[in-house]
Amino acid sequence: RKEVEQDPGPFNVPEGATVAFNCTYSNSASQSFFWYRQDCRKEPKLLMSVYSSGNEDGRFTAQLNRASQYISLLIRDSKLSDSATYLCAVIPSNFGNEKLTFGTGTRLTIIP
Amino acid sequence: GAGVSQSPRYKVAKRGQDVALRCDPISGHVSLFWYQQALGQGPEFLTYFQNEAQLDKSGLPSDRFFAERPEGSVSTLKIQRTQQEDSAVYLCASSLDTLVLVANVLTFGAGSRLTVL
Repeated sequence: RKEVEQDPGPFNVPEGATVAFNCTYSNSASQSFFWYRQDCRKEPKLLMSVYSSGNEDGRFTAQLNRASQYISLLIRDSKLSDSATYLCAVIPSNFGNEKLTFGTGTRLTIIP
Repeated sequence: GAGVSQSPRYKVAKRGQDVALRCDPISGHVSLFWYQQALGQGPEFLTYFQNEAQLDKSGLPSDRFFAERPEGSVSTLKIQRTQQEDSAVYLCASSLDTLVLVANVLTFGAGSRLTVL
C-alpha cells in the first residue's frame, strides 16, 4: 500500500460548484499534512496546511480525520482558475523524519 | 536569491550519458530536498540535506544517482549512465529550517526536465 493515496480523477466540475477531494495516509503516526497545488508544467505550490481542528482559507477548507487516516480539501464556488492538480502531502512521523511524501495528485478541471 | 533556481530547465541526454542537475536554494535555507516527478505522478522523494549533511538518501532509485551539497548551499544531482526510465522532472525544494518545526515553508524550484532518448 502506498504511503499516501489519492483519487487521480480527473474531476470535471462546472464553474460555481463545490468539489471535495480526499487523501488517505497509511502511517498513523503522521503529524503534518498539507495540500499543494500544481499547475500544468509548473512546480507545486503550497495551498494550505491541514490542522487537527480543520482550517479554512477563503473558499478552501481542509480537514483531518485521524481515526480514518484521511485529509480532505473542499473548494466552494469553484472558479476557472481553480483548474489544476491538487497534491496532498504528509510527513510520515514526527521524529526528525523530513521525508515529505506526496500523493499522485487529483486533477481538477473547472468547466465554464 | 528570491526563489529556488534550477538549471538546466531542459536536458536531453542519450542513453548512457551522465547528467548533472543544479539547484540554488533560497539563501540561508538549511534544508534542501530533491524529488523526481514522472508524467502524471506526484513528486517522489529522492534525498534530503540539512546544510551539507545528506541525512536521507533512501529515495535514490539506484547507485547511478548521486547528490551532493558540499558547502551547504548549492546542490547537484548527478545521474550516471542515464536510462530511459530516468526521464522525469527533477524538482529541488528548500526550507528555512526543518520541516517538522517550520512546517509550511517548503519552496520548490521550477524543475529540470530530463528526457533520455
